[in-house]
Amino acid sequence: EVQLVESGGGLIQPGGSLRLSCAASGFSVSSTYMTWVRQAPGKGLEWVSAIYSGGSSYYADSVKGRFAISRDHSRNTLYLQMNSLRADDTAVYYCARSPREGYPGDYWGQGTLVTVSS
Amino acid sequence: DIQMTQSPSSLSASVGDRVTLTCRASQDISTSLAWFQQKPGKAPKSLIYAASSLQSGVPSKFIGSGSGTDFTLTISSLQPEDFATYYCQQYYRYPWTFGQGTKLEI
Repeated sequence: EVQLVESGGGLIQPGGSLRLSCAASGFSVSSTYMTWVRQAPGKGLEWVSAIYSGGSSYYADSVKGRFAISRDHSRNTLYLQMNSLRADDTAVYYCARSPREGYPGDYWGQGTLVTVSS
Repeated sequence: DIQMTQSPSSLSASVGDRVTLTCRASQDISTSLAWFQQKPGKAPKSLIYAASSLQSGVPSKFIGSGSGTDFTLTISSLQPEDFATYYCQQYYRYPWTFGQGTKLEI
């Protein structure tokens, strides 16, 4: 059974760094197209980043240069390293697995809340 | 970036009704369009991909159609569990973008 469990969220000061984790089971993150999507409180969905099985990655303009997506085959975990955090990065962050490369996620985690505030 | 515009922003309906939600892209995205359902405090749930393909396990009461710039999601025989917010998303070109959502209310 496919399962995704995000962790690593919390309260962080502006300018700080945080690494989100997405632990997967039922499939291999290393051979699967994965994405991160976020949702600010009371707002809509915003695509953040994606990584192909071959390692190519893409980012939203709003996070480019500050966030980095990666994965660990041995831990079967997807990561999102977030640096230079700003108040407008405050959101619930979801990871999602896609059934094929370049397609939206069919399985989503429950999300982890990141709050950027002093 | 490709802009996605959903209409209406909110919609009131009754149990048993059939409703149609609309999503318009700012440029041609072929059929690279997905629909998601989200309930308060929950993760989005994938309903439709490739504009009209039903995700595994999703009931056939959800019907997606369209291509190019204009897309619709039709939900028939509304049940209480169908009242939620629905989002469309284009995956034709990065950055992927979502519509602002349509809130379906009783």
